[in-house]
Amino acid sequence: GAGVSQSPRYKVAKRGQDVALRCDPISGHVSLFWYQQALGQGPEFLTYFQNEAQLDKSGLPSDRFFAERPEGSVSTLKIQRTQQEDSAVYLCASSSTSGANTGELFFGEGSRLTVL
Amino acid sequence: ELKVEQNPLFLSMQEGKNYTIYCNYSTTSDRLYWYRQDPGKSLESLFVLLSNGAVKQEGRLMASLDTKARLSTLHITAAVHDLSATYFCAPSQKLVFGQGTRLTINP
Repeated sequence: GAGVSQSPRYKVAKRGQDVALRCDPISGHVSLFWYQQALGQGPEFLTYFQNEAQLDKSGLPSDRFFAERPEGSVSTLKIQRTQQEDSAVYLCASSSTSGANTGELFFGEGSRLTVL
Repeated sequence: ELKVEQNPLFLSMQEGKNYTIYCNYSTTSDRLYWYRQDPGKSLESLFVLLSNGAVKQEGRLMASLDTKARLSTLHITAAVHDLSATYFCAPSQKLVFGQGTRLTINP
């Protein structure tokens, strides 16, 4: 597609439910990032993929968070046993370059998760 | 650990005025990115500054980078209402973002 696509755009979950958020990056983009953005805050890094390899997951807040990108394109962020503090917008971004000095990021519209 | 500080965090200006947003960061980075975010929307790339002394301009916005001072500035000239948004800076290396500067431009 022309841009980064995320689904669902909105998700309401009951506390304790598992959720899965999908990201379809720009075709051919090597790098893929997940960020968590709380209301009124800047995006906070969660994890980074270079192709199918998850090179950095230092930002994942707990072992309830898990991300994968098995074929180096679409990525899924899974949150198990959701808690109220998980409520946020989850942003996916992709870049055509890789490595520590990554290039300009192209962001999706985000998935807004509300945990009741 | 890379820390990024923006100031001011909130800025209310009148149309036609000039102002500067500052972005300081704590560890070496040879490039810096500025993004814009409208309410309820995602982030849009504004500038990519790739070297010390880099200056880029787009319309009423101009960004500069001083890697030695670990400082970037975003200057707004003759502000117009359409520039109301939140602006984020992010040095490279996982693109750690600042807290954002929420800019409101009043008629």
